[in-house]
Amino acid sequence: KAGVTQTPRYLIKTRGQQVTLSCSPISGHRSVSWYQQTPGQGLQFLFEYFSETQRNKGNFPGRFSGRQFSNSRSEMNVSTLELGDSALYLCASRRSGGASGELFFGEGSRLTVL
Amino acid sequence: TQLLEQSPQFLSIQEGENLTVYCNSSSVFSSLQWYRQEPGEGPVLLVTVVTGGEVKKLKRLTFQFGDARKDSSLHITAAQPGDTGLYLCAGVGNKLVFGAGTILRVKS
Repeated sequence: KAGVTQTPRYLIKTRGQQVTLSCSPISGHRSVSWYQQTPGQGLQFLFEYFSETQRNKGNFPGRFSGRQFSNSRSEMNVSTLELGDSALYLCASRRSGGASGELFFGEGSRLTVL
Repeated sequence: TQLLEQSPQFLSIQEGENLTVYCNSSSVFSSLQWYRQEPGEGPVLLVTVVTGGEVKKLKRLTFQFGDARKDSSLHITAAQPGDTGLYLCAGVGNKLVFGAGTILRVKS
């Protein structure tokens, strides 16, 4: 079956702009989580959505937001981009909500902010 | 805040050598997961350890969960170039917490 699909794979923005990233989970998976990955910091949890509701949120400023649609697809948005937002943004899905269970990751969206 | 520390941060070894990667925390986790990430890919789950003291083997990889469920180790025997990648541990509590990872490079 198809894996987790993230678009776009690569994008370049300038400071102050905003960006929207998209994630299509594995069919049947209702939980979608987003992570920011930077060298040395590992994966930092952004948020988790389950059945269109945000279940959990990490320690990121309000410029980072997300949503989930009725078909479980999810988007995250970053407004007023800063240089430090340059990172690989990973989306992961699993069948049910909660912290346990295997996460299936997409290949990520690599954002560069100039 | 639950934190996971991984060591070493970077490991470069020759093919055939053995190695151990450590994942430590002051927090107790209900279970711990290990993922491997290759360049250009997302992390892929290798194993989940659940019981304190548990040891799981996956071919040349041996995973151990500490008795107190606060730490874990990954031991690779006779490393091969295909083992190259970023190894991440993740603790399961009220949410999943990842360590910063260990970059492993195995040279042939």
